[in-house]
Amino acid sequence: AIRMTQSPSSFSASTGDRVTITCRASQGISSYLAWYQQKPGKAPKLLIYAASTLQSGVPSRFSGSGSGTDFTLTISCLQSEDFATYYCQQYYSYPLITFGQGTRLEIK
Amino acid sequence: QLQLQESGPGLVKPSETLSLTCTVSGGSISSSSYYWGWIRQPPGKGLEWIGSIYYSGSTYYNPSLKSRVTISVDTSKNQFSLKLSSVTAADTAVYYCARDKEVGGFDPWGQGTLVTVSS
Repeated sequence: AIRMTQSPSSFSASTGDRVTITCRASQGISSYLAWYQQKPGKAPKLLIYAASTLQSGVPSRFSGSGSGTDFTLTISCLQSEDFATYYCQQYYSYPLITFGQGTRLEIK
Repeated sequence: QLQLQESGPGLVKPSETLSLTCTVSGGSISSSSYYWGWIRQPPGKGLEWIGSIYYSGSTYYNPSLKSRVTISVDTSKNQFSLKLSSVTAADTAVYYCARDKEVGGFDPWGQGTLVTVSS
């Protein structure tokens, strides 16, 4: 199975900051990567698919990049509602889907 | 707007079978191009894909759970279901259903339902 490793596992930032979360695949996955946001007690929400395509309705301060094995999710100007846990997911080996372990973003 | 809603018992005894149903509203489960999936999340942990089904009944399962999982679909009720047999405490989790875009992730998701395995 393709292993997805996110870094960092958790970190803190302030409103207005620009932050980046990294996701690394154990083998090349082209651009078959999605990013999700999950708030406590809520279901995950799809933010980005195909590594860089913004899901409809997602604010433009979210962006994704990368291909092959290394990917990033960037939030350009943190808002209070962005403090959450973020997950990457590969679907290159569909249907053998795997998720990263998650990155928790907390308020500094 | 497409919505999904999980339903089923919140408590299951060890060695028994966990059964959940996902009801789809605002759209047809028979829509082409989409699978329908189950994902779970143990308390305080990450996400694990369980399996997905097409409206025709074609299924894919996570190899780590395949021997215990059955996913079925009822197009007349616009529902799909999950059965997980021989459960243990390790199967305690929030179970989500979601539309599986195959090449594009899962969207939307149901709100999730907590299933606890305990005697």
